[in-house]
Amino acid sequence: EAQVTQNPRYLITVTGKKLTVTCSQNMNHEYMSWYRQDPGLGLRQIYYSMNVEVTDKGDVPEGYKVSRKEKRNFPLILESPSPNQTSLYFCASSFRGDYEKLFFGSGTQLSVL
Amino acid sequence: AQTVTQSQPEMSVQEAETVTLSCTYDTSESNYYLFWYKQPPSRQMILVIRQEAYKQQNATENRFSVNFQKAAKSFSLKISDSQLGDTAMYFCAFMKHGAAGNKLTFGGGTRVLVKP
Repeated sequence: EAQVTQNPRYLITVTGKKLTVTCSQNMNHEYMSWYRQDPGLGLRQIYYSMNVEVTDKGDVPEGYKVSRKEKRNFPLILESPSPNQTSLYFCASSFRGDYEKLFFGSGTQLSVL
Repeated sequence: AQTVTQSQPEMSVQEAETVTLSCTYDTSESNYYLFWYKQPPSRQMILVIRQEAYKQQNATENRFSVNFQKAAKSFSLKISDSQLGDTAMYFCAFMKHGAAGNKLTFGGGTRVLVKP
């Protein structure tokens, strides 16, 4: 089954403790992206990747890192999480040139205490 | 920069009736896409309908249809014959064709409750 898999689905952590949210897709998509969802603000793009080893900032990149060492994986790294990063996070992917046909993961609810 | 506004934070509708969600956007672009996404309690983002700006005909998908008014920059979603499974958060979104990062710009969402 074609899918974007995020792990974990729920995560509670404390301020300053490094964490990684994983994202993997099995559709051979070149393009991958991370969004965060906050009440009243909808989803906002954090980082995106056009292909392996090609990443760039979205609208709200502060406090996040990403890497794209393999085509299928696009982890989101919070090196020193803070409470304002408490949010619902989504990974998404698509074929290059087919960006209007995004596949979303099932989301990761992160709480930073 | 593009902005998307959904002016109705919450709406309720009786089962089998019709509800219309409003969405307005601001852009100077002429070539873009508009979307409605549904987010049920499972949190999954589900594409409901997609409209290409150069197409004048309004998109429809079964009970879901849009009213796309390009000059007014309006993109409303009509849900006909509402069902309990339509209860969800609905997001309107914009994507500029060829945008850097292929970014979707989302509105703040409208929560729809379908009552039996």
